[in-house]
Amino acid sequence: DIVMTQSPATLSVSPGESATLSCRASQSISDKLAWYQQKPGQAPRLLIYGASIRATGIPARFSGSGSGTQFTLTIGSLQSEDFAVYSCQQYDDWPTFGGGTKVEIK
Amino acid sequence: QVQLMQSGAEVKKPGASVKVSCEASGYTFTTYYLYWVRQAPGQGLEWMGIINPSRGSTSYAQKFQGRITMTRDTSTSTVYMELSSLRSEDTAMYYCARVAVAGSALSQSDHWGQGTLVTVSS
Repeated sequence: DIVMTQSPATLSVSPGESATLSCRASQSISDKLAWYQQKPGQAPRLLIYGASIRATGIPARFSGSGSGTQFTLTIGSLQSEDFAVYSCQQYDDWPTFGGGTKVEIK
Repeated sequence: QVQLMQSGAEVKKPGASVKVSCEASGYTFTTYYLYWVRQAPGQGLEWMGIINPSRGSTSYAQKFQGRITMTRDTSTSTVYMELSSLRSEDTAMYYCARVAVAGSALSQSDHWGQGTLVTVSS
């Protein structure tokens, strides 16, 4: 299985600041990477796919980059509704997910 | 609009089986594969397997081989996930999720069910 590792586990950010989340794959997955946002009691919501393509309706402050084994999700100017858990998922093989990064209010 | 509606919460004893349903609407049911993904309390997401609603073909994660069965009913646009020999570690929220690219088995998931909480407790 392809192992996905996210860092940091928790990120404390003040509203209006930006946040940078990392995801590393145990082997190259090209650009077959998605990012999801999950709030308490809710299902995951697709943010980014193809490593850098925003899903329908996702604000431009969310951006993804990377290829191969290293990927980044950047959230610019955090809004109150952005505090949540973010997970990466590879789909180059049967899907596997990272452990998640919790973005909390500083 | 695309919707995936799952069955309600379940409480099961160790050793029992659970069957969770996921009814799809708002799109052509047989065109998109569906994943099942679970999330234990406070943990990350875990892929369990995939079903092709058109052919009924399945593929399961190695971890669940032998105790998971996914089926579908095209007349009601519903997929089912049955997990047997339940143990306390199976306590989790179970989600169905549509594979975003039509006819593809490997892709992101663009629509998710609301989740079904399965609690395994004696």
